[in-house]
Amino acid sequence: ETGVTQTPRHLVMGMTNKKSLKCEQHLGHNAMYWYKQSAKKPLELMFVYNFKEQTENNSVPSRFSPECPNSSHLFLHLHTLQPEDSALYLCASSGRTEFTEAFFGQGTRLTVV
Amino acid sequence: SQELEQSPQSLIVQEGKNLTINCTSSKTLYGLYWYKQKYGEGLIFLMMLQKGGEEKSHEKITAKLDEKKQQSSLHITASQPSHAGIYLCGADGTGTASKLTFGTGTRLQVTL
Repeated sequence: ETGVTQTPRHLVMGMTNKKSLKCEQHLGHNAMYWYKQSAKKPLELMFVYNFKEQTENNSVPSRFSPECPNSSHLFLHLHTLQPEDSALYLCASSGRTEFTEAFFGQGTRLTVV
Repeated sequence: SQELEQSPQSLIVQEGKNLTINCTSSKTLYGLYWYKQKYGEGLIFLMMLQKGGEEKSHEKITAKLDEKKQQSSLHITASQPSHAGIYLCGADGTGTASKLTFGTGTRLQVTL
């Protein structure tokens, strides 16, 4: 248990569906991240939020829409996804201190059919 | 952009044997992080190295960052089945720890 909780753990959705992934941390961290992990590819950073403000969007398609209402919660809204978007989506958080390590959630296994 | 290369990509060792995983960066590292991942699950933080020549140990796992701060190695002594998983190195290339770039991972299997 890392202190970062992701829900749901598994999600199957059609290409026309709209769904949301949720991430929650109560570690007092101010930075939160979404990563995508596809088979045989490095972890890809998608979005970074610092103090609820988006500081990085790593050229992510607009069908992925992040939301950070406060420093403890992070959402990833999904709509009209493609089968190639099927992957493990990982949320992480880190503190403000320099060189502090990031804590990861268990991930949401997303399958787009 | 910073790239990390891990070797080997996969490894099968017999229980009780030692092993080493390497992580090489295309740029100077401000911080190097080692994580372990069970298949389909989140990453568990193992160790962080930031100074050239630094070495850290946790139980039977030792990690080292070379003097030039562009390569790190992870060494497991007397491997056990519980060590099986995917080992990932992550790099802080900006000095701000605001985001990490990851390698492709090394899949470790430990046989009885």
